[in-house]
Amino acid sequence: SQTIHQWPATLVQPVGSPLSLECTVEGTSNPNLYWYRQAAGRGLQLLFYSVGIGQISSEVPQNLSASRPQDRQFILSSKKLLLSDSGFYLCAWIRINGYNEQFFGPGTRLTVL
Amino acid sequence: KQEVTQIPAALSVPEGENLVLNCSFTDSAIYNLQWFRQDPGKGLTSLLLIQSSQREQTSGRLNASLDKSSGRSTLYIAASQPGDSATYLCAARIQGGKLIFGQGTELSVKP
Repeated sequence: SQTIHQWPATLVQPVGSPLSLECTVEGTSNPNLYWYRQAAGRGLQLLFYSVGIGQISSEVPQNLSASRPQDRQFILSSKKLLLSDSGFYLCAWIRINGYNEQFFGPGTRLTVL
Repeated sequence: KQEVTQIPAALSVPEGENLVLNCSFTDSAIYNLQWFRQDPGKGLTSLLLIQSSQREQTSGRLNASLDKSSGRSTLYIAASQPGDSATYLCAARIQGGKLIFGQGTELSVKP
């Protein structure tokens, strides 16, 4: 069965510090991978998606970047965090089997102080 | 531009009641519609997915319907239980594979 992991689970960082969040998927190959952010009281915002190694599409211009160094690894980064980067970050993948059902990881709670 | 709306934003019901959560979308050109459950501080759990060619899907006490022509989907929960308390989100998949999410309905089932 497929499993999606995210770490760390929680993170508190000062403004201006760097960020690296990691997402890995097990039990599948060549998944489409996604990063979302869920701010308090707001819906999910798609940040990046990737259809393969080294292929990144950005949805919202911002302080963040994403990379996909391996088939089942997706990384969200920032060189200098802003207060507005606080939120709940969710990684997701799609089961491409004609249904295109999306599955989410457990999330990372980021607080920027 | 596709917009997804969920009404109500919050709902409180006594245990045992049947209830309906509503989801509407502005553009009927969707590939599928997916319902998720989110517990506080947790990720999203997929509940049901309805393909654009389908009218409904069922899983246990849950039944989701889709009416593309009217831009609506409903999630019916039968015999609600306190363990059903969570936020329920619907999302429409549009061209390009993107999921557009509603803001969610926060459900509280009182014992």
